Amino acid sequence: EPEVTQTPSHQVTQMGQEVILRCVPISNHLYFYWYRQILGQKVEFLVSFYNNEISEKSEIFDDQFSVERPDGSNFTLKIRSTKLEDSAMYFCASVGRSSYNEQFFGPGTRLTVL
Amino acid sequence: AQSVTQLDSQVPVFEEAPVELRCNYSSSVSVYLFWYVQYPNQGLQLLLKYLSGSTLVKGINGFEAEFNKSQTSFHLRKPSVHISDTAEYFCAVNYGGATNKLIFGTGTLLAVQP
Repeated sequence: EPEVTQTPSHQVTQMGQEVILRCVPISNHLYFYWYRQILGQKVEFLVSFYNNEISEKSEIFDDQFSVERPDGSNFTLKIRSTKLEDSAMYFCASVGRSSYNEQFFGPGTRLTVL
Repeated sequence: AQSVTQLDSQVPVFEEAPVELRCNYSSSVSVYLFWYVQYPNQGLQLLLKYLSGSTLVKGINGFEAEFNKSQTSFHLRKPSVHISDTAEYFCAVNYGGATNKLIFGTGTLLAVQP
């Protein structure tokens, strides 16, 4: 069964450093998302991506964040200068044309900013 | 505003007892409803979904949920819980629109005691 994969599973970085979180969505899916879950809190929408551009972003998704689909398979989330409050679990999700609005989630990347 | 409410942050229950986890959402013309389960230090696993049709939907692990449009609710139920059901449960709503992002509730910790 096809699945969304994410790497790395855990990333530790120093405050101010850039990080790139990687996701490989399900092949032939068209819509891609990033969500964030701060420890002990709810899952929050960050950004959606379709047709090689951002279709919607939340207030959390400020200028420090960017997304890219560089090669037709990977979908990346970059944080330019990490802050302590960026520490969270980041989930990638994808939706296919025929999957009826159901999002398939990856296992997540735990980002720890020291 | 679009919102999802899970009033119970924690639900303690004894093994083999029935349980109901409540979810209410802000009213909308059309919604797609989901329940996800998250085990400690793991990702989001889809339990069940309501997209259309029968208002009673069955999911994995013996869970079911009922969509009640007049009460804008989508409560999750299980007739007899096991220790292994101990986890965080998130209700999520897709309000449609161009991006089909998910709005999550704050989660309910189901704590099953022997």
